[in-house]
Amino acid sequence: GQNIDQPTEMTATEGAIVQINCTYQTSGFNGLFWYQQHAGEAPTFLSYNVLDGLEEKGRFSSFLSRSKGYSYLLLKELQMKDSASYLCAVEDSNYQLIWGAGTKLIIKP
Amino acid sequence: IAGITQAPTSQILAAGRRMTLRCTQDMRHNAMYWYRQDLGLGLRLIHYSNTAGTTGKGEVPDGYSVSRANTDDFPLTLASAVPSQTSVYFCASRPGTSDTDTQYFGPGTRLTVL
Repeated sequence: GQNIDQPTEMTATEGAIVQINCTYQTSGFNGLFWYQQHAGEAPTFLSYNVLDGLEEKGRFSSFLSRSKGYSYLLLKELQMKDSASYLCAVEDSNYQLIWGAGTKLIIKP
Repeated sequence: IAGITQAPTSQILAAGRRMTLRCTQDMRHNAMYWYRQDLGLGLRLIHYSNTAGTTGKGEVPDGYSVSRANTDDFPLTLASAVPSQTSVYFCASRPGTSDTDTQYFGPGTRLTVL
């Protein structure tokens, strides 16, 4: 079967760093996406990894290890506006996205 | 440029009624998708269309139908709504089915079936 696992909820402090993990088992792999979703809104694209290693985009970085079926999203210098759910999704061999349930990130002042 | 629009924003529907959720994109994207999002579950694919004139079934297609008569529109129809179809429905599109193509989401339709 296909499975994407991520923690249900995490809490962090404003200004700190947080790492959100995602592990996956899918039929085929054509890339891994991270999306951000604020409450009551649509998901918006954050990052894409297809090769092993770290992709950096400003305060956000995403890491992929295909051999381990593992990715993480790293958020630095946390701001209150980063309070949201973070969705991990893997593109399978049919080019469809398989989604994790999302990690709700709570930022405290 | 509006991107992707969905209508209605929210709807309360009696069980057994027929309902069509509308989705329109102005980005000339080839691929379009319908997802439902329920608390504690990931986005689940209902139906998809890789290009105008073609459609395919996703993970949870039962009770839903779609059509793709042109590039811009991808309506989702519930033939006879049931309470388990209460959910938030998102329409999404992407330029094509290349692995680097990002999906863009509409604002969602919140549907309650009583």
